[in-house]
Amino acid sequence: GEDVEQSLFLSVREGDSSVINCTYTDSSSTYLYWYKQEPGAGLQLLTYIFSNMDMKQDQRLTVLLNKKDKHLSLRIADTQTGDSAIYFCAESANDYKLSFGAGTTVTVRA
Amino acid sequence: DTAVSQTPKYLVTQMGNDKSIKCEQNLGHDTMYWYKQDSKKFLKIMFSYNNKELIINETVPNRFSPKSPDKAHLNLHINSLELGDSAVYFCASSQPGTGGSTDTQYFGPGTRLTVL
Repeated sequence: GEDVEQSLFLSVREGDSSVINCTYTDSSSTYLYWYKQEPGAGLQLLTYIFSNMDMKQDQRLTVLLNKKDKHLSLRIADTQTGDSAIYFCAESANDYKLSFGAGTTVTVRA
Repeated sequence: DTAVSQTPKYLVTQMGNDKSIKCEQNLGHDTMYWYKQDSKKFLKIMFSYNNKELIINETVPNRFSPKSPDKAHLNLHINSLELGDSAVYFCASSQPGTGGSTDTQYFGPGTRLTVL
């Protein structure tokens, strides 16, 4: 969507770290999310971060939030072939709506 | 057990027909949603219901009519289907509250609608 922007493609070697970036415009965003969509499948919630946090770590996933720059990133450590998917950034401002980015297609090569 | 389920998974139909997609959630959530994902994977919200009441209605043609018979179900009925309606439709649910994972939406597997 126009309120949330992501780069469209990312290619990464297996075992390396992936970093997916996202920018958003709504300064009243309360929660920011990362969803994963594998081919032909639905959306799987990966992680979320509350807007008063700078960082959240969950196993191989690290979310960084720069609220001043309205920039969100998702780092995947030790990227595996099963991480190949589309990753969507989304923001919510407590108005029941999720605004999604266009999705970043991550391709993991051997 | 599937938390948010949709039927059918695939729907192929002719232009001009009327069709319905069903959604059920067993999470006890108060709020349910319909999203449309187009061929470029762009996701956009269509409707949201909270406790069976419509709270979000984005600029969607009135050929689309959501119906919520109870809190656990939100069905999507589409009249006079057009080629441009071809997309994947996702249902989602959430439990608004305070703190924690407020507004976290859980998605169904999607229904791929193809209009010929």
